[in-house]
Amino acid sequence: DAGITQSPRHKVTETGTPVTLRCHQTENHRYMYWYRQDPGHGLRLIHYSYGVKDTDKGEVSDGYSVSRSKTEDFLLTLESATSSQTSVYFCAISGGSPFNEQFFGPGTRLTVL
Amino acid sequence: DQQVKQNSPSLSVQEGRISILNCDYTNSMFDYFLWYKKYPAEGPTFLISISSIKDKNEDGRFTVFLNKSAKHLSLHIVPSQPGDSAVYFCAARMGGSARQLTFGSGTQLTVLP
Repeated sequence: DAGITQSPRHKVTETGTPVTLRCHQTENHRYMYWYRQDPGHGLRLIHYSYGVKDTDKGEVSDGYSVSRSKTEDFLLTLESATSSQTSVYFCAISGGSPFNEQFFGPGTRLTVL
Repeated sequence: DQQVKQNSPSLSVQEGRISILNCDYTNSMFDYFLWYKKYPAEGPTFLISISSIKDKNEDGRFTVFLNKSAKHLSLHIVPSQPGDSAVYFCAARMGGSARQLTFGSGTQLTVLP
């Protein structure tokens, strides 16, 4: 299994508070991604990174920011959490393989009250 | 507008029979397609993929078929086993992108013993 960890695994927070989720990889892969999974929507891309300090927006980036200061870490920040951001968040990595598959972390369940 | 669609939210099959999961896409620029399997409380895991230059790819009990003219792909599982019960996501990659994937909404497969 690809070495990807996410922290925290569960979090309950209140509307308006800042939240940071961390993704850590030990595979030295170039690409890292943040997705959210919601019923009826599958997995939707929030932001992605194609290298240290190189990031770009995905399909549902409003209300989220990211940072990647090291190859192994990709942080997702909700500056002011809203109830619509209650979801399961997955980090994924890709790189090295010619077949383009992404490897996913175990997920973080975030509840915004 | 969903570019990748899985129109069947759920599918039940008997153990030993064939499971057929379907996926349709609208964007002819997709050049690579993948299937992921997801168990509850875990991240998705890569299952099988196919390039747009092929029409079939097989890996053990799993076969993916691609019909480019119909913009349709399917995953066949033969024979189905109870451990195959999971949510299956199809995903598509745009050519030239930073390996971004667009996911369908998923199909819950239940294999009955």
